[in-house]
Amino acid sequence: AQSVTQLDSQVPVFEEAPVELRCNYSSSVSVYLFWYVQYPNQGLQLLLKYLSGSTLVESINGFEAEFNKSQTSFHLRKPSVHISDTAEYFCAVRSSGGSNYKLTFGKGTLLTVNP
Amino acid sequence: DVKVTQSSRYLVKRTGEKVFLECVQDMDHENMFWYRQDPGLGLRLIYFSYDVKMKEKGDIPEGYSVSREKKERFSLILESASTNQTSMYLCASSSTTGTGSQPQHFGDGTRLSIL
Repeated sequence: AQSVTQLDSQVPVFEEAPVELRCNYSSSVSVYLFWYVQYPNQGLQLLLKYLSGSTLVESINGFEAEFNKSQTSFHLRKPSVHISDTAEYFCAVRSSGGSNYKLTFGKGTLLTVNP
Repeated sequence: DVKVTQSSRYLVKRTGEKVFLECVQDMDHENMFWYRQDPGLGLRLIYFSYDVKMKEKGDIPEGYSVSREKKERFSLILESASTNQTSMYLCASSSTTGTGSQPQHFGDGTRLSIL
């Protein structure tokens, strides 16, 4: 069985400050990792994903995440946040083998960017 | 772009009613999912389907059933609605291409209130 722990339920930051949203997972097999973002009153949108290869993955809006196999982590970072980044962020994991297409989600981190 | 459309954004029903939530995707995806989202609990999988007329229970199937008569449509049914089923319901779809590397695409959600 897999599980995902998002260590912070809420992260308040000021605009233009750096931010890190932490995600740890547990799995006995190789995994795919995802970060989703949910803006108010909307569904989830894929932010970035790690499948294989380079452990650092980037999104088009300045976020990046680094897969660390030894620490079973996939933390999300942005060097300078904007007001518009205020949203809830979900980390998710899926095993990379077989026909299991289910995602296991963390409980979410609410990022609030203040002026 | 993938489009996942949920039939209602907001829905109010009464205890004991039979409730239908509809979801349609336009990308010919094999997999479809129903989640409920509650504050502090993240997303929890109710049911999923990997083919027409095929379904599997997720983590919290009690009180729910599903129907998938056509590939593009996946319905969630609350057999006898109860107040503890008040929640945000999210539908998602994904392709089987790449043995699980494909992300799930989400609808905007249905906020269901049971009075």
